[in-house]
Amino acid sequence: GQQVMQIPQYQHVQEGEDFTTYCNSSTTLSNIQWYKQRPGGHPVFLIQLVKSGEVKKQKRLTFQFGEAKKNSSLHITATQTTDVGTYFCAGRGGSYIPTFGRGTSLIVHP
Amino acid sequence: ETGVTQTPRHLVMGMTNKKSLKCEQHLGHNAMYWYKQSAKKPLELMFVYNFKEQTENNSVPSRFSPECPNSSHLFLHLHTLQPEDSALYLCASEGQGGFSTDTQYFGPGTRLTVL
Repeated sequence: GQQVMQIPQYQHVQEGEDFTTYCNSSTTLSNIQWYKQRPGGHPVFLIQLVKSGEVKKQKRLTFQFGEAKKNSSLHITATQTTDVGTYFCAGRGGSYIPTFGRGTSLIVHP
Repeated sequence: ETGVTQTPRHLVMGMTNKKSLKCEQHLGHNAMYWYKQSAKKPLELMFVYNFKEQTENNSVPSRFSPECPNSSHLFLHLHTLQPEDSALYLCASEGQGGFSTDTQYFGPGTRLTVL
């Protein structure tokens, strides 16, 4: 079955440093979505990427979808304490049911 | 608020108890999901309902029994659980059901502790 690997599992940064999390799928995806879960909260949708090579930005967050539609990344520039949480990617391939990555927990030290 | 509510928010139960988790969505969606989220583990898909029909059972033990009486409500009936079933149980709904571009809207979850 489809697998989505996400690394790293944890990332500690100093406030102001950049952060990147990566997702790799074992199969070609039709799209990939990113979610953020704050500590004690629930996953909240951030963005969806559909096209090969697509890049989208939301303020300090940059999302990329690979040319082969098998990998994706989320990059945060100049992290802030409000960025703390776990970031999940979720890919859909042949099934409409999404496969979630393990998530990357971002810890920002002030 | 995402338009998806879950009750109760916290639940402590013994291994011989029977309890139910409830999820309700006010978004007019057609698909609903149950996920289990344990510490240090990824989101585990449990069940999927599409237009009230169960379309996915991800090899979940029979001590978990889902029920979807209509597109707005989803239940998870629990009986004779084990301590390792302690986790955050998340409900999610999505718009059209069966479309790959749907976005999942999660409820706040029920934090379950099995003693």
